[in-house]
Amino acid sequence: DIVMTQTPLSSPVTLGQPASISCRSSQSLVHSDGNTYLSWLQQRPGQPPRLLIYKISNRFSGVPDRFSGSGAGTDFTLKISRVEAEDVGVYYCMQGTQFPRTFGQGTKVEIK
Amino acid sequence: EVQLLESGGGLVQPGGSLRLSCVASGFTFTNYAMTWVRQAPGKGLEWVSTFGRGDDDTYYADSVMGRFTVSRDTSKNTLYLQMNSLRVDDTALYYCTKGWDLLQYWGQGTLVTVSS
Repeated sequence: DIVMTQTPLSSPVTLGQPASISCRSSQSLVHSDGNTYLSWLQQRPGQPPRLLIYKISNRFSGVPDRFSGSGAGTDFTLKISRVEAEDVGVYYCMQGTQFPRTFGQGTKVEIK
Repeated sequence: EVQLLESGGGLVQPGGSLRLSCVASGFTFTNYAMTWVRQAPGKGLEWVSTFGRGDDDTYYADSVMGRFTVSRDTSKNTLYLQMNSLRVDDTALYYCTKGWDLLQYWGQGTLVTVSS
């Protein structure tokens, strides 16, 4: 199974400041079709998760452009350019390249 | 608008069974894979099962293999998860999601509690 490791597990940030979350996979996420199926999800308190970013860097419908994804192979990053109050929650990376699908442990973003 | 509505959760004793349902709307159900994901209280996300584009195209986590069965009824736009031989560690909020390699939309979840 592919193990997804996120750092940090907790990220206190000041409103308006940037935040960054790292996700590392135990093996390459490049699929035989050439795509890399790495997604980022956001789970606000008391809410189901929602898709933010797919295939490393593509923002899903309705996701603000302050969210961006980057990376390749086994190392990936989610960045929030300027954190807003509504960004509080837990962020997960997920790989969809291979079964079983696996998630990172989650990174809690909170306001200082 | 895509909507996913789960139901069927509840309290069950260890060794018991439950069947979860997920009614989908707002997209052509037969054209998309569907996935179940669960979240134990206060914990992270765990992939459970994916139903691909055909009845033989199903995948399971090792933790539920042989006990859970995913299926769908296209006439009802409904995805199911039959859960047998339930264990205490199956206690979780079960989410129905639309997707195969990425999980585009999520339902609100249905809570399964396994306890004596």
